[in-house]
Order: sequence, then C-alpha cells, then structure tokens
Amino acid sequence: AQSVTQLGSHVSVSEGALVLLRCNYSSSVPPYLFWYVQYPNQGLQLLLKYTSAATLVKGINGFEAEFKKSETSFHLTKPSAHMSDAAEYFCAVRTGNTPLVFGKGTRLSVIA
Amino acid sequence: GAVVSQHPSRVICKSGTSVKIECRSLDFQATTMFWYRQFPKKSLMLMATSNEGSKATYEQGVEKDKFLINHASLTLSTLTVTSAHPEDSSFYICSALLPGVYGYTFGSGTRLTVV
Repeated sequence: AQSVTQLGSHVSVSEGALVLLRCNYSSSVPPYLFWYVQYPNQGLQLLLKYTSAATLVKGINGFEAEFKKSETSFHLTKPSAHMSDAAEYFCAVRTGNTPLVFGKGTRLSVIA
Repeated sequence: GAVVSQHPSRVICKSGTSVKIECRSLDFQATTMFWYRQFPKKSLMLMATSNEGSKATYEQGVEKDKFLINHASLTLSTLTVTSAHPEDSSFYICSALLPGVYGYTFGSGTRLTVV
C-alpha cells in the first residue's frame, strides 16, 4: 500500500522567503504524486502533479516540486512567499486506479 | 473545465434528521467519485468510492447504513447522512476522477453541523 508523510504539521515563513514543504512517499510501484492547497472551509485545489514525465514539475502560483526517486521525496517549493500563500497544503499519492491517499497536511503561515 | 459543484456548502441540522449532500460534474462525465471526510485540522479520510450504476465501496470502519451513497448518473453523486448525530459533524468533500488523465477534481466541501 502506498502512503505519504508530510514532515512538519506547521511551517512559518516570512513574506518573501523561500517556502519548503516536505513530502516523502512510500510505494511499491511507480507513484503519481500530487500537491493540493486548501483554504479555510473550501475544497482542494491542485497545485501540481507528477505523472512520470519530467521530474521537476511546475505548478500554479509559482510553486514547483521535484520528484526524487532515490530519496522517495516530492518536496514543494516556492522562491518567495506571499501572504496569500497561507493555507493548508496536502501531499497525496496514487498508484494505478486507487483513490488518492493524503498526507496529514502542513499548515503554512506567512509572516509580514 | 472539469468542475464539480457541491451543495450545500454549509448545513445545520437537528440530531436524528437526515442530510443529503450533492456533487455534480458540470462539464464532464464522472464515472468514479470519491467521498472524503475531514475532521478539524486533520487530513482527508476516504469514506467510499462510488461508480456510476453500481454500489459504493466503503472503507473499513465507515457505516454503510449511516452514510448512503448514490451515483445514479454520470453527473451526480449524493451522500446522505442518515439519523445524524453531533459526532457526524464534519467537513465532507467529494472528488471526481477525471477521465483520461491521472487527476482528480474536488468539490468545494460541505460543512455539516449536527445540533
């Protein structure tokens, strides 16, 4: 069975600083990996996904993530944080036709 | 494109009553939909997978008789919380498997409060 582990339930950065949200996955077969963002009382919005094409994936709102098989990681980064980036972020994994399996989420706070 | 409309966004009901949550795919056919439950400050827990025209597959520990899922058409899936109790209060989110690609789209969620 596949799983994801998000390191750090809460990350706080200053506005303009680098954002790094960590995600490690476990899967016995090549996975598809996703990052989602959730604002309070809203559904999930897809930031980006890895589907075995390029290992560096660029998403919306300036986010990107790099798939590193040797490290079983799929960390999410953004060079410069904006106040509007404050939200909950979820890493998720899927193999084949299985439903998405989510990590526990990381709450990102951006300090002015 | 690929929008799932979820209604209602917020509902308050009395203990013992039933509540129906709808998810409609607006511009595509959703053969498969997933229903998730999210507790405060927690991740999403998969409750069930529904395929159009067949019975839903429930995850272990989810009560089938309490959480009734119907997926009678390619554009509509419903979750009915029957005989609701305060412990059923939660945020419920539907998700549709997008056809032809390895992705999903999510509804905007329903905040259920049982008083």
